[in-house]
Amino acid sequence: QVQLVESGGGVVQPGRSLRLSCAASGFTFRSYGLHWVRQSPGKGLEWVAVVSYDGDHKYYADSVKGRFTISRDDSKKTLYLQLNSLRVEDTAVYYCTRVVVPGVIWDAFDMWGQGTMVTVSS
Amino acid sequence: EIVMTQSPATLSLSPGERATLSCRASQSVSTNLAWYQQKPGLAPRLLIYGASIRATGIPARFSGSGSGTEFTLTISSLQSEDFAIYYCQQFNKWPMYTFGQGTKLEIK
Repeated sequence: QVQLVESGGGVVQPGRSLRLSCAASGFTFRSYGLHWVRQSPGKGLEWVAVVSYDGDHKYYADSVKGRFTISRDDSKKTLYLQLNSLRVEDTAVYYCTRVVVPGVIWDAFDMWGQGTMVTVSS
Repeated sequence: EIVMTQSPATLSLSPGERATLSCRASQSVSTNLAWYQQKPGLAPRLLIYGASIRATGIPARFSGSGSGTEFTLTISSLQSEDFAIYYCQQFNKWPMYTFGQGTKLEIK
């Protein structure tokens, strides 16, 4: 079955850390660029970060640069997002997504996970 | 940053009617534009990419058009399952993807 499944969300205090995981199945994981997108409660969608298919290129939204780190483990077919120095405004559902075309970074997202909720609150 | 502006914010229509949703970019994004549908509690679903290419499994009643700064998503005859929130997204100017604020399509 072709799917992405996120995990690792939870409730955390401001300033603390969390690591999100996204397990992939049903497609050639190492061939695709992968992104994280988040959605604050009742709000729209915000792009967070991307890692290229080969892991050599990583880019971040200004709002998370220096605090979040995206990575991938092709042997485990898993995408990660390390969230450090969390802020209240990072509260959101975090989705991992796959691009349409293998081998490219910047493209539409044809596959989404179900999302994992991160709540930052004291 | 490219700002994506969707209109209207809410569209009230009846099943069987035609829906026209608009998305405007603050600068040209060529045809690097996608449309997504999102229902409550679910992840977004890709409908259209490359401004006019239907994604796999998307019904023919969904169509996209436009280039540059003006884009349109048209649903030719609304079905009950089409009532949802629709987002446009540009992927022309990277590394900053941006989404529109969404259009809520509701049953009249």
